Amino acid sequence: QQQVKQSPQSLIVQKGGISIINCAYENTAFDYFPWYQQFPGKGPALLIAIRPDVSEKKEGRFTISFNKSAKQFSLHIMDSQPGDSATYFCAARAGNNRKLIWGLGTSLAVNP
Amino acid sequence: GAGVSQSPSNKVTEKGKDVELRCDPISGHTALYWYRQSLGQGLEFLIYFQGNSAPDKSGLPSDRFSAERTGGSVSTLTIQRTQQEDSAVYLCASSSLDRAGYTFGSGTRLTVV
Repeated sequence: QQQVKQSPQSLIVQKGGISIINCAYENTAFDYFPWYQQFPGKGPALLIAIRPDVSEKKEGRFTISFNKSAKQFSLHIMDSQPGDSATYFCAARAGNNRKLIWGLGTSLAVNP
Repeated sequence: GAGVSQSPSNKVTEKGKDVELRCDPISGHTALYWYRQSLGQGLEFLIYFQGNSAPDKSGLPSDRFSAERTGGSVSTLTIQRTQQEDSAVYLCASSSLDRAGYTFGSGTRLTVV
């Protein structure tokens, strides 16, 4: 049972375009929703995160949109660049001493 | 240290041999996690240590896998009698209770031949 469902599995975007990756969850106890970025040969790195008391968080070109009633959250990458080409993982957690539950990842390719 | 350190970065072993993978977490991080990642795949949870609590071993795929964390710091993941399907990148991460994000190491790429 996949508690955090991520889509699409892969995504190709032209330089300057908007990349959108979606995640859905079922557990209403989740209280922390991060996105991680992973480049080949490296471990995932925290990109941006949100808690359910806000509907949007923006950091530079990266924005998380959160819809609590629909139990969905998404990552938007504005003005996508070839350097953004990586695998992106969403995750969720229920409580400080709980482990993250991960989506299966989205491979993003930004064409020059 | 400044980041999570894993060693070795690469390990090639013969089928049937035992291997030990080491993770040195960020100083002061009470939580430590091991994940496995096959080529182009997602993160497969293996085991989770939180302070002095009993570890969450629910992700270990078989009894050939074990892990320990000594003194609340360094952790060792041991795979006994390695099989070809054990070939993957093994990632370690650590976190602290006051900061929710994980910091990952660069992983150990294990190849069983």
